[in-house]
This record gives sequence, C-alpha cells and structure tokens, in this order.
Amino acid sequence: GQQVMQIPQYQHVQEGEDFTTYCNSSTTLSNIQWYKQRPGGHPVFLIQLVKSGEVKKQKRLTFQFGEAKKNSSLHITATQTTDVGTYFCAGQSNQFYFGTGTSLTVIP
Amino acid sequence: GAGVSQSPRYKVAKRGQDVALRCDPISGHVSLFWYQQALGQGPEFLTYFQNEAQLDKSGLPSDRFFAERPEGSVSTLKIQRTQQEDSAVYLCASSFSQGWNIQYFGAGTRLSVL
Repeated sequence: GQQVMQIPQYQHVQEGEDFTTYCNSSTTLSNIQWYKQRPGGHPVFLIQLVKSGEVKKQKRLTFQFGEAKKNSSLHITATQTTDVGTYFCAGQSNQFYFGTGTSLTVIP
Repeated sequence: GAGVSQSPRYKVAKRGQDVALRCDPISGHVSLFWYQQALGQGPEFLTYFQNEAQLDKSGLPSDRFFAERPEGSVSTLKIQRTQQEDSAVYLCASSFSQGWNIQYFGAGTRLSVL
C-alpha cells in the first residue's frame, strides 16, 4: 500500500481562488517530487525538492519541503482552468512512493 | 523518439491470457520504471531497471508479473494468466541518470481483463 498520503483527496475551487495540497510521509524522505496528471493523461514532472525546509516557486506555484523531510506542500495562487488535474507528490525513501493525489477542479 | 513510447495503448484480455506490454524509453536514459495505476489512485511502483539490470522488483504483485530490459533500452512487462484485478493502466517512465530522479512518463497501456 501507499505510504505517502495527500490531503485533500478532492478540491473544487472558483477560478481565481488559491489551492493547497499537502503531502505526508510515514518515513523520512531523501527527496520529493511533484507531478501533475491531467484527466486521461500521464504524470508530468513539475519539480524536485531535496533540502530540508526548501521552498521553490514556479510562477503561481509554490512548493515546500518540510524541515523533517516528511511532508511537503504545493500551493497555487489564483487558480486558472488550465490548473485542472490531479497533483501527486512522490517521495524516495528505500523505494519510490507516489502519494494518493489531490484532484483539482477549477470552476470558471 | 522525443518521448517515452508505450504499446499497445489499450489491451483487452480474457482472464487467463498472457499479455506483453512494451516500453521504449527516451534514448540514452539509464533508468526505467514500471508502475501500475488503478482508477483514481496514484501510480504504484512495480520495478526498476538501471540499464539492463533489474535492481528492484519488490513492487511486482505476484510471480505472474515479469519484466525485462535485455539490451538496456526497450523493456517488456509480461503478465501471465491475467486476472481481473490486473486491470489497470501500466505506466512506464525513464530517467536520464540512475536512481529516482526526474522521470518522464509514457502515455501508458490500459489493460482490461474480462
């Protein structure tokens, strides 16, 4: 079973609202990656975080890796309809685990 | 090719049939991964190759599942005596370097076992 949990499982937002998904691991991770999967598509790499407490930004997306390297978050500012999809974190400990995913719906 | 190519895109099998799924990774990529993704779930790791060596097969659910990458490029995932619970999308990903770095995914093979 999956050892990396994400919350929420689903999120519906009005276009322009912010969105955050949280990723929690039961074990310390050496690194964490984030992927986006559009409906009917395949996961597409967004970013990798390696250092404890690391924060990276990509335009409206902000990624954070926790101090203990057991959790991470993705925050999207002012969502757009193009942000629709499922966001997965994926972490490496002794193996590589994908999170359970957060499905984002943006209502125009 | 420019990306990871998987074939077939869709496969329907009768229960008990054997199937073979192909993955053609990005040229020069050292690492190759197979995942199983059930509907509404995240990808679950099956196996990992570094060149032709299968370094981790701990995610293969049973001995009916077998993967190979004999020349360090194309890989085949074989499922023997398919069962209904094998129905899922099988994703292949490749990575330029060894280990768990940026992975580029193929479009997947959707397997339906009737």
